[in-house]
Amino acid sequence: ETGVTQSPTHLIKTRGQQVTLRCSSQSGHNTVSWYQQALGQGPQFIFQYYREEENGRGNFPPRFSGLQFPNYSSELNVNALELDDSALYLCASSLMMGDGETQYFGPGTRLLVL
Amino acid sequence: SQKIEQNSEALNIQEGKTATLTCNYTNYSPAYLQWYRQDPGRGPVFLLLIRENEKEKRKERLKVTFDTTLKQSLFHITASQPADSATYLCALVRGGSYIPTFGRGTSLIVHP
Repeated sequence: ETGVTQSPTHLIKTRGQQVTLRCSSQSGHNTVSWYQQALGQGPQFIFQYYREEENGRGNFPPRFSGLQFPNYSSELNVNALELDDSALYLCASSLMMGDGETQYFGPGTRLLVL
Repeated sequence: SQKIEQNSEALNIQEGKTATLTCNYTNYSPAYLQWYRQDPGRGPVFLLLIRENEKEKRKERLKVTFDTTLKQSLFHITASQPADSATYLCALVRGGSYIPTFGRGTSLIVHP
C-alpha cells in the first residue's frame, strides 16, 4: 500500500450533477496530481497541486477544478457531469515537485455517470 | 501529434520465461521514461525510471532499456511468475516537465 487514500471508492451520478472526490496524500508529500483513466486506457493528467497552488493542467475543461489544503490533502470537483466523465479517477502524491520524483498512486475512485 | 504506443493485445507467456513488453513513441523527446504496474481496480505502482542518457536499468528480475534513436523502451521480466500478471504502463516525461504522459498499457498473463 502506498499510503495514499481516496474517497469514495465508487460513485454513481447522473448527467448534469456535480461531484467532489477526495485524496489524502502520503505523509510528508506536498505535491498531488489527479488523473482520469477511462476503461482500457492509460491515466490522463488532469492537474497538479504543489503547496496549495495549481502547477500544471492537462487538456480538461474548466468544469474540472481542484483544491489542495494546508495538510496537502486534495479535492477534485467536476461540474455538469457528462456521460464521458465515467472513469477511474486517480490521485498521486510525491515528496516534492521535481525531476524524476516518484509518484505514489491511490486506489482510485470509480465514477459512473448515467 | 505526440503518440505513445504499447501493444494493446495481451501478452501470454509460460511461467519461467522472460516477458518482453514494448513502448514506442513518436514526436516526443522524453527526458526520462517510467514503467508502472497496474492491477485490476488498483492504482498504478511505480517500478523503474530510466533517463535519456541511460541505456539500461535493472531491479531484481526487471530490466528496462531505452533507445532514443529507435524511440523505444523495452521492459523485461525474467523468470516470470503468475503473480507478475498485470497491466504494465509506460510513461514519458519531457524535459522541464514533471508530468508523465502514459501509454494505454499492455496486459501480461503468465500461465503456470
